Amino acid sequence: DTEVTQTPKHLVMGMTNKKSLKCEQHMGHRAMYWYKQKAKKPPELMFVYSYEKLSINESVPSRFSPECPNSSLLNLHLHALQPEDSALYLCASSQVTGLANAGELFFGEGSRLTVL
Amino acid sequence: GQQLNQSPQSMFIQEGEDVSMNCTSSSIFNTWLWYKQEPGEGPVLLIALYKAGELTSNGRLTAQFGITRKDSFLNISASIPSDVGIYFCAGDDSNYQLIWGAGTKLIIKP
Repeated sequence: DTEVTQTPKHLVMGMTNKKSLKCEQHMGHRAMYWYKQKAKKPPELMFVYSYEKLSINESVPSRFSPECPNSSLLNLHLHALQPEDSALYLCASSQVTGLANAGELFFGEGSRLTVL
Repeated sequence: GQQLNQSPQSMFIQEGEDVSMNCTSSSIFNTWLWYKQEPGEGPVLLIALYKAGELTSNGRLTAQFGITRKDSFLNISASIPSDVGIYFCAGDDSNYQLIWGAGTKLIIKP
């Protein structure tokens, strides 16, 4: 069983909707990530939080808004999305960034998002 | 930017066969990692490599960090049906940013 839990597993939303994706981990990791994955492609990094502070934003459009309320939780707020934003959104956690083992990511099962 | 070339793109093999896939990079990496992703799941870390020349096994899986630090391979011995999935290599560059390969899809012929 994955130790990173994502909800919901599936989400269908219209372009005018506001929704949120949620992620939770209890491994004591201090780095958390949002990735976007299109079919048959590798994950693409969106955001990195380190010690609850946003450390990396990979030029993601503002219609995606991340939030890290505490060291165990990570949210991704969605507003005014486009159909091309439909994808699998993966949350991951790791030991803190900037260390050699920071690449050892623990992924959740993902939230499958469809934008109509 | 840095790129990883992962090959092959896909493999059709018989159960029991050995499998080999590799990744090459245009620049040096500090860490090589191999992940496996099954349908409907997130990627799962299989092996992490931290030193040039390092050879590491995890059950039937063996991976090596190339001496030049620009390549890595993953071998799977005696494949079984549950080995199907997409295998991704990933490398950590000098800024500890993960760069991902395009993936190798493993399919086992019945």
